[in-house]
Amino acid sequence: ETGVTQTPRHLVMGMTNKKSLKCEQHLGHNAMYWYKQSAKKPLELMFVYSLEERVENNSVPSRFSPECPNSSHLFLHLHTLQPEDSALYLCASSQDRASGGLGGEQYFGPGTRLTVT
Amino acid sequence: GQQVMQIPQYQHVQEGEDFTTYCNSSTTLSNIQWYKQRPGGHPVFLIQLVKSGEVKKQKRLTFQFGEAKKNSSLHITATQTTDVGTYFCAGLTGNQFYFGTGTSLTVIP
Repeated sequence: ETGVTQTPRHLVMGMTNKKSLKCEQHLGHNAMYWYKQSAKKPLELMFVYSLEERVENNSVPSRFSPECPNSSHLFLHLHTLQPEDSALYLCASSQDRASGGLGGEQYFGPGTRLTVT
Repeated sequence: GQQVMQIPQYQHVQEGEDFTTYCNSSTTLSNIQWYKQRPGGHPVFLIQLVKSGEVKKQKRLTFQFGEAKKNSSLHITATQTTDVGTYFCAGLTGNQFYFGTGTSLTVIP
């Protein structure tokens, strides 16, 4: 186990539903990430939180909304998703520089397999 | 925009043969990391390279970072069936990690 847990592991939702993905890290890290992994595409970085502040938001549609209440927990709130949003959503954490600069090795959770119908 | 290209996309080798995957960035990287993802699993960190021209070894795996810090390679000597999976590089530029598309390795017993 990597010390990063994600729930649920599988999720099927309709386009009008609202759901949330949860990530928890037990490693004492100070940065957390959301990635999207689709077939035949590179891992896409969606959001980064370092020291509980959002550092990067790579032009992700507003139907994805992250929340980082503390350094151990990260949520991804989902609403009115599209079928093309079906993918594996991976959470990761790392221990980065105290100034908030990234660069540490990332520990990934098992992912949530999301299907939008 | 920033891209990290990785080749080949797929590689099938006989057990015991060597394997190499290459990563190329359009811009200079601060560091590069390598990850392995087994089928049905999640990426697992293998190594990080920071210095220009750096070479690191882990048993049968050899990692290199180019002199210009724009490319990297992972070489596996005498592959085993346990090496099966997808190998990703991830390059750091500023505060952004860019993952390569991955190389899927199949090892034929």
